[in-house]
Amino acid sequence: AQKITQTQPGMFVQEKEAVTLDCTYDTSDQSYGLFWYKQPSSGEMIFLIYQGSYDEQNATEGRYSLNFQKARKSANLVISASQLGDSAMYFCAMREGENYGQNFVFGPGTRLSVLP
Amino acid sequence: KAGVTQTPRYLIKTRGQQVTLSCSPISGHRSVSWYQQTPGQGLQFLFEYFSETQRNKGNFPGRFSGRQFSNSRSEMNVSTLELGDSALYLCASRTGTPPSSYEQYFGPGTRLTVT
Repeated sequence: AQKITQTQPGMFVQEKEAVTLDCTYDTSDQSYGLFWYKQPSSGEMIFLIYQGSYDEQNATEGRYSLNFQKARKSANLVISASQLGDSAMYFCAMREGENYGQNFVFGPGTRLSVLP
Repeated sequence: KAGVTQTPRYLIKTRGQQVTLSCSPISGHRSVSWYQQTPGQGLQFLFEYFSETQRNKGNFPGRFSGRQFSNSRSEMNVSTLELGDSALYLCASRTGTPPSSYEQYFGPGTRLTVT
């Protein structure tokens, strides 16, 4: 079974609008971390946001917020006020185990295109 | 603070050859991980080194190997290259020491083409 599922291969959003990128995960560990990365066409992976399994509040980093629904095993990324520079691939990832000692597992990614 | 650097950025090799890729982590980071990214398989974890010891290993054949030096720089080696090894190879570093160890920073990658 896939550990990380991203059901949206591609998404379009109008500039200045908000967009939600979906991510569901599968784990039996109590301790895990969820991450979102952005990969522009240049290829470099850029860390965006992190949510720990024990964190009660949703993580926020500037225009990025993570909608964490633990019971549903969902960790959606919300980008507010989209900008043209947000066009990229977005990957959801998880690391399991105490101190996140296990390997990072990445989802297949969602390609976001921001329209002017 | 300088980011993660990878050399070379681009590489073309022929089948059967071997290749060595290099990664210099962010200063102070002791953990280095390697990933392979292909259109078909996505991002797959290769291995992680911490303080010169392999800490985790992904599901790749023994042709893929790595090592880490005392200054935390890491190299990855692929022997007997196959066409399917064509990929973007990404290196990532983190401190490796909780509680800040979760944040992982990636380098720009090495794009390997095998002909």
